[in-house]
Amino acid sequence: EVQLLESGGGLVQPGGSLRLSCAASGFTFSTYAMTWVRQAPGKGLEWVSAISTDGGGTYYADSVTGRFTISRDTSKNTLYLQMNSLRAEDTAVYYCARVIVAAAIGAAFDIWGQGTMVTVSS
Amino acid sequence: QSVLTQPPSVSGAPGQRVTISCTGSSSNIGAGYDVHWYQQLPGTAPKLLIYANNNRPSGVPDRFSGSKSGTSASLAITGLQADDEADYYCQSYESASGVFGGGTKLTVL
Repeated sequence: EVQLLESGGGLVQPGGSLRLSCAASGFTFSTYAMTWVRQAPGKGLEWVSAISTDGGGTYYADSVTGRFTISRDTSKNTLYLQMNSLRAEDTAVYYCARVIVAAAIGAAFDIWGQGTMVTVSS
Repeated sequence: QSVLTQPPSVSGAPGQRVTISCTGSSSNIGAGYDVHWYQQLPGTAPKLLIYANNNRPSGVPDRFSGSKSGTSASLAITGLQADDEADYYCQSYESASGVFGGGTKLTVL
């Protein structure tokens, strides 16, 4: 079964850091671009970041550029999102998703994880 | 404020047809980027409904269809069913960044 499982969410103080993980299974992880999308409580979806198949291409929303870093470890079939200098407005459910093709930009997200909640509060 | 504009809500009776619009600009949809649509049932992760403007993933009923013209796109749902009640989001790209619409809540009367 094709599956994505996020972990690493939790409560963190403003200015703190957190690393999210997304474990992939049931497909050849190295052949798909991956992405992170978040959803603040009661709000819509917001694209956060994407990464190419080999990790050489990374892309970020303006709201997280310079603070978040996306990466992947093909040997572990795992996608990561390192989040630094967290702000209250980063509070959201964070979903990892598989891009339907190898290209990181332009395509749809066909497989989604269940999401992990990040709460930034003092 | 979302880059792509969707109506906040639409409604229809069972069996009816509804459409949800997604309006962008020359920087995103009008620049040639494809439009994708997602359905999000309450308390669940989004699900891909339509990709590349008018393509359905395996398992999505043909009651769902998409179209794109100029700087806009539309999702049409025919033969409305109670379990179609959900939030629907359009998505595209702009300057190598993903962009979503604000979402549309579909109510089945």
